[in-house]
Amino acid sequence: GQQVMQIPQYQHVQEGEDFTTYCNSSTTLSNIQWYKQRPGGHPVFLIQLVKSGEVKKQKRLTFQFGEAKKNSSLHITATQTTDVGTYFCAGGSNYQLIWGAGTKLIIKP
Amino acid sequence: ETGVTQSPTHLIKTRGQQVTLRCSSQSGHNTVSWYQQALGQGPQFIFQYYREEENGRGNFPPRFSGLQFPNYSSELNVNALELDDSALYLCASSPTPPRLAGGEQFFGPGTRLTVL
Repeated sequence: GQQVMQIPQYQHVQEGEDFTTYCNSSTTLSNIQWYKQRPGGHPVFLIQLVKSGEVKKQKRLTFQFGEAKKNSSLHITATQTTDVGTYFCAGGSNYQLIWGAGTKLIIKP
Repeated sequence: ETGVTQSPTHLIKTRGQQVTLRCSSQSGHNTVSWYQQALGQGPQFIFQYYREEENGRGNFPPRFSGLQFPNYSSELNVNALELDDSALYLCASSPTPPRLAGGEQFFGPGTRLTVL
């Protein structure tokens, strides 16, 4: 069946370091959405990308959608403690969203 | 906050029982989706309703069923509960019609179901 693979599962960074998570789909996606889920919370929408090769920025966050609309990435520059949580990609396919397993961002003490 | 509420917050049931989970969406949000999120995993799509009709379904058996009402509330019913049904159940609403799965979804806080 359709799958969206997301890596890495975890990423430990020092505060101030960068963070990147990647998603790959087995099929072409109509769009890709990114969500953040804080521990004990629910997913919160960050952004949606629709166009091939699209790049969007939100302050320290940069989102990319691949040319073939099969992969996407989220890059956070200079992480802060408020960035802690799990970041999910969700790809639109056949009227439903296929979710990745998430990448957990952990700030080293 | 998203304006999406869910009840109850937590629920404990035993295997074989039936459960009804409820969601109240924002006014004007005609699309509602239900997800199951097991611990440490991403949400798994159960089904979606648009204007009171099921619009799409994920890989879940028929004992998972739902309803959507005209007042922007919805239900998820699960019959013959199994141990593996223990999870966080999330509903998400959207003002966007279910067209190519686009549009921001607004999630409720979820219902934590434990099946013993």
